[in-house]
Amino acid sequence: DQQVKQNSPSLSVQEGRISILNCDYTNSMFDYFLWYKKYPAEGPTFLISISSIKDKNEDGRFTVFLNKSAKHLSLHIVPSQPGDSAVYFCAASDDKIIFGKGTRLHILP
Amino acid sequence: GEEVAQTPKHLVRGEGQKAKLYCAPIKGHSYVFWYQQVLKNEFKFLISFQNENVFDETGMPKERFSAKCLPNSPCSLEIQATKLEDSAVYFCASADLSGNSPLHFGNGTRLTVT
Repeated sequence: DQQVKQNSPSLSVQEGRISILNCDYTNSMFDYFLWYKKYPAEGPTFLISISSIKDKNEDGRFTVFLNKSAKHLSLHIVPSQPGDSAVYFCAASDDKIIFGKGTRLHILP
Repeated sequence: GEEVAQTPKHLVRGEGQKAKLYCAPIKGHSYVFWYQQVLKNEFKFLISFQNENVFDETGMPKERFSAKCLPNSPCSLEIQATKLEDSAVYFCASADLSGNSPLHFGNGTRLTVT
């Protein structure tokens, strides 16, 4: 059974607008959450993380929100840029890191 | 080094042959992780090491798969008697701490079993 779920396989967003990627998890023992970005033929690149003691973490254009009661986190990218087109993986950790299946983000010109 | 280095980039093996993949973690990182990605879908955790010791091997298939991280050598993942379903991209990652620390990934080894 999947412990980390990304229910949208793909998302298209206009350049300059906000991209919102969502992720749900089932294991309440997870205490650290991460977002990774992946281009074809490359390994995932770490983007941003959040500890379970926080509900928001911001780094430049990227903000991660955590709602522990709903077991939900989201990644906001604003403004979206063409180079943001990639697959985004949500991940959660309780010692080993478990990944979701990814959401492919297309930034439209 | 500053990057996780995985070799080879591509590996083709006939069914039943052995496959061996290598990973050099970032210098100073104590933890090494192996993940298997099949058909661009989810990353399946295989095994992790803390230095040369197995930390968590709950994802490793019981048969045919083995892994090592020896001092002063790249880590390795070996698959004996490969099967078609072993075809995947195998990613190695390293981290300086366990748990609340991001993993830094290599670019993967694409294994094709024919």
